[in-house]
This record gives sequence, C-alpha cells and structure tokens, in this order.
Amino acid sequence: DIQVTQSPSALSASVGDRVTITCRASQSISSWLAWYQQKPGKAPKLLIYKASSLAGGVPSTFSGSGSGTEFTLTISSLQPEDFATYYCQQYHTLWTFGQGTKVEIK
Amino acid sequence: QITLKESGPTLVKPTETLTLTCTFSGFSLSTSGLGVGWIRQPPGKALEWLALIYWDDDKRYSPSLKNRLTITKDTSNSQVVLTMTNMDPADTATYYCGHKGARGVIGYWGQGTLVTVSS
Repeated sequence: DIQVTQSPSALSASVGDRVTITCRASQSISSWLAWYQQKPGKAPKLLIYKASSLAGGVPSTFSGSGSGTEFTLTISSLQPEDFATYYCQQYHTLWTFGQGTKVEIK
Repeated sequence: QITLKESGPTLVKPTETLTLTCTFSGFSLSTSGLGVGWIRQPPGKALEWLALIYWDDDKRYSPSLKNRLTITKDTSNSQVVLTMTNMDPADTATYYCGHKGARGVIGYWGQGTLVTVSS
C-alpha cells in the first residue's frame, strides 16, 4: 500500500502570509497527486490535480509542485476564506489520503 | 451540471450491514474513463478512501476494508451502491460519494451522509 504523510498537521498563519504544506509518499507516485480543501461541515473541494494543475475556478494564489515522493501545496497570500483543512491524495495505485493539515488564524 | 447525493440509514447497529446509495446526475457511468468512489470521514478525523467502481465495472477496494465492502453500479438508474458488512462503532462517519473524472481525481462530491453505529 502507498502511504502519504502530510506535514505539518496544523499551522497558524495570518492573512497575507505565504503557507506551504508538504506531502510525502512512501514510494514514487510520479505526479499522481491531488490536493483538496475542506471547510467544516462541507465536502472537500478539489484544488490541484496531477501535482501542479489548478482545478477550474481555483484562485491562482494556490499552487502545487513536486514529483516522485515529495510534494508541496503553496498558498502565496493567505486569504480569510482559505482557513480550512487541506488534504493530499495519491491516485497512482488505488487512492490514499493524507492525514490533513488544518490552517488556523494566528 | 454534475451532482451526487448519498442516501441510506443514519443509524445502524453493531454487526449489521450498511447499504448506501449514491444517486447522481449530469454524467453517465457508461462513459469511458469515468468512475464513482466512496470516501468516509469519522468525526474530527481524516478522509479515508473505501471503494471505486469504473465505467467498465472494474472495481477497486481499500486493502484494509476489502473483505467487508462491495460496490455495484446501476447505470440505467444512475446509482452506485456500497455495502459494508459487520458494522462497528468505529465505522461511525460521514460517508461521501464522488465523481472520478478523466483526470483521475474527485472533481465532484456529494454532500455526505452521517452514519452512526450504535446499539
């Protein structure tokens, strides 16, 4: 089974900050990684697919990078609506989600 | 416009079998490359993938749960059904279904349905 490990599990940041979340896969998954945003009581929303492709309607303040086993999600300038929990997902072999990163207001 | 909605019991007893239905619109599960997956989320915890069914009836299951899961599709009625046997209180979660598009990821999610396992 492919495991994915996110870090950190939580972070505090201010509006306007640059935020980076990391996802590591237990083996190479090429670029088959997605990122989702989830707000309380809501279903997740796709942000990034194939490691760096922005999903439709997602602001350009979000970006993804990486390949193989190391990936990052970057929010270049944190907005009030970006406070949420973020999950990575590998889809190279079956599907696996990371443990989530909660982005909180500092 | 793609929409999905989960339905099923909100409360099940331990050892019972859970049956959930995902009813969708805006796409056909006979279209090449498409699929419907099930994902769950215990209260306050992370997302966990359960099962995935493809347009060609190929099926994939989470290795840790595969002995308890069955996924089927009814293309004519635009539904996907997930059954999970031998339910336990640890299975209490919000269960989501999602549309797997040609890009391989879940572009559309249902609203989720909370299932509580308790005697």
